[in-house]
Parts: sequence; C-alpha cells; structure tokens
Amino acid sequence: DVKVTQSSRYLVKRTGEKVFLECVQDMDHENMFWYRQDPGLGLRLIYFSYDVKMKEKGDIPEGYSVSREKKERFSLILESASTNQTSMYLCASSLYRGRWDSPLHFGNGTRLTVT
Amino acid sequence: GENVEQHPSTLSVQEGDSAVIKCTYSDSASNYFPWYKQELGKRPQLIIDIRSNVGEKKDQRIAVTLNKTAKHFSLHITETQPEDSAVYFCAASIPPGGSYIPTFGRGTSLIVHP
Repeated sequence: DVKVTQSSRYLVKRTGEKVFLECVQDMDHENMFWYRQDPGLGLRLIYFSYDVKMKEKGDIPEGYSVSREKKERFSLILESASTNQTSMYLCASSLYRGRWDSPLHFGNGTRLTVT
Repeated sequence: GENVEQHPSTLSVQEGDSAVIKCTYSDSASNYFPWYKQELGKRPQLIIDIRSNVGEKKDQRIAVTLNKTAKHFSLHITETQPEDSAVYFCAASIPPGGSYIPTFGRGTSLIVHP
C-alpha cells in the first residue's frame, strides 16, 4: 500500500515566517502534488512535479514555491507566511510520469495556522 | 483548463436511502473520472473511478455512471449507512500529453442519518 507521509499534522507560524511543509512517498511514484483545501472551495492545486527538479505551477501558486531534490520528497515552501495562507495542505502522488489518468494517493494533511 | 462542477454541495439522507452526486465537466477530451471519499479528519481516498470507454462501473453499493455526450458523471450509493457520511470529491483528467492535471469538484458533504 502506498504511503504518503506529511511531516507535520498541525503547524502554527507567525506572519512573515518562512515555512517548510515536507512530504515523502515510499512507492517510487513519479508525480507529486501539493493541494490546498478550504471549506467550500474543494481541492485547489498549488504546484506539481513529474520528475526530480521539475516543477509546474498549478492554479494558485502565488506566495508558494516547491522543491523536489529527490524522487520521493516534495517540499512546499511559504516564503513569507500570511494569514490568508491558513489552510489544510494536502500532498499527493501518482505513479506514471506525466500521466494524469491514474489515482492520486494523499497524505494525511498539514493544518497550518498563520497568526 | 478543465472545469468541474459538482452538485449538491450538501446531501442529507436517511439510512437505507440512495444518494446521488453529480458532476459535469467542460473538456470533451477528459477520459478519467475518479471519486474520492474524505472522512472527517482523514485523507481523501479513491473509492471508484471510471474511464471514458466505459458507461458504468459498480463496486458493491457504489456505482459510477458516465454520459460522455452530456459531459456528466454521477456517483450512486445505495442502501446508505452512517459510515458513508463523508465529503465526496469528483475529478476529471485528460489523456497523456494534455496540458492540465486532474481538476476537482468542490465536494459534497453527505450526511446519513441513522
């Protein structure tokens, strides 16, 4: 069974801090994603990656960056956290490089609060 | 890119009733339609999916139907149970080489009353 692990379940940060959210998957999946989940807005894609050192913008990349130095690890970075980035962040992975017609496997999420 | 509309946003049923959630999509090239269930405080998990070469797929009490002409697909849950209470998300994605990744609907909160 695929395991997608997010390093923190809950995180509280101050406005202006640099924040790192880490995600690791253990099944050699090629694609990795970061989503943001807010009530009534569903799952919105921030960034995704289909290969090491590759990254592509999703629907709401502003204020975020990502890093994928190793295949199994995909990090989301908030350069200067703001209160409107308070949200649930979900990491996901899928198997085939550059193919989007396969199931996503999600992590448990990180609930980030920016005060 | 793809646009996925999901209705209703909230669905309340009595235990044993059926529940239907409908999604419409905009790009006729979309060919993969998964459904995810997210229980409170847990991760979304795939419960069923369908590809565009199939009209219907069943797995015990859950079924998904696809109407390519009308560009909509639906999740059907029969004999609902309290443990079916969750948020359900639909998604649509296109074949390899396409320029965008799976797009999600906004979710349906299903409440099953005992």
